[in-house]
Amino acid sequence: QQPVQSPQAVILREGEDAVINCSSSKALYSVHWYRQKHGEAPVFLMILLKGGEQKGHEKISASFNEKKQQSSLYLTASQLSYSGTYFCGTEIRPGGGADGLTFGKGTHLIIQP
Amino acid sequence: AAGVIQSPRHLIKEKRETATLKCYPIPRHDTVYWYQQGPGQDPQFLISFYEKMQSDKGSIPDRFSAQQFSDYHSELNMSSLELGDSALYFCASSDTGGDSPLHFGNGTRLTVT
Repeated sequence: QQPVQSPQAVILREGEDAVINCSSSKALYSVHWYRQKHGEAPVFLMILLKGGEQKGHEKISASFNEKKQQSSLYLTASQLSYSGTYFCGTEIRPGGGADGLTFGKGTHLIIQP
Repeated sequence: AAGVIQSPRHLIKEKRETATLKCYPIPRHDTVYWYQQGPGQDPQFLISFYEKMQSDKGSIPDRFSAQQFSDYHSELNMSSLELGDSALYFCASSDTGGDSPLHFGNGTRLTVT
């Protein structure tokens, strides 16, 4: 079952913060986050495994609440290069099972100077 | 570092024709995935292979088939093409040991006229 992402779109000014949410009705093994620019391949950002953890590098971090089956991606002090569509991908078991890594519908992030 | 290589980058076919897309995964990656992404849509899982054996099957039409060869490259064969098959087709590979992100190729843009 497809995870639900929110919001659908965000417009920010450079330097502002953003939070993108991803929730699932199924018990998850892992949550992946990817960023995709128009016409390009999705680029891996980070992966979180069940057990509830938070990961981050530089100004992008994420958390996974196993009880709620929710993950959030945090973008702080956004830069122009952060623009793109952010997808969460969820696995119910290692390798994804019959659904593979199932992506949400994406969140379009636009950063304005 | 070596990345996932897909060929061709662009392909134009007519309705009812056949197409073959190729994917060369990152060396030593044991799992290959195929995804279809329509315009403005999220990537949809088609099929995956683990160690050259079909692993999981998603929303792949019966007109499509795929296989992975002894050198680990994979091919997606598409027959009786329809206008609705026009999309970006991504191949991704991963190393299933531990936390394993998907590394995507640059995709093949298929246009069916």
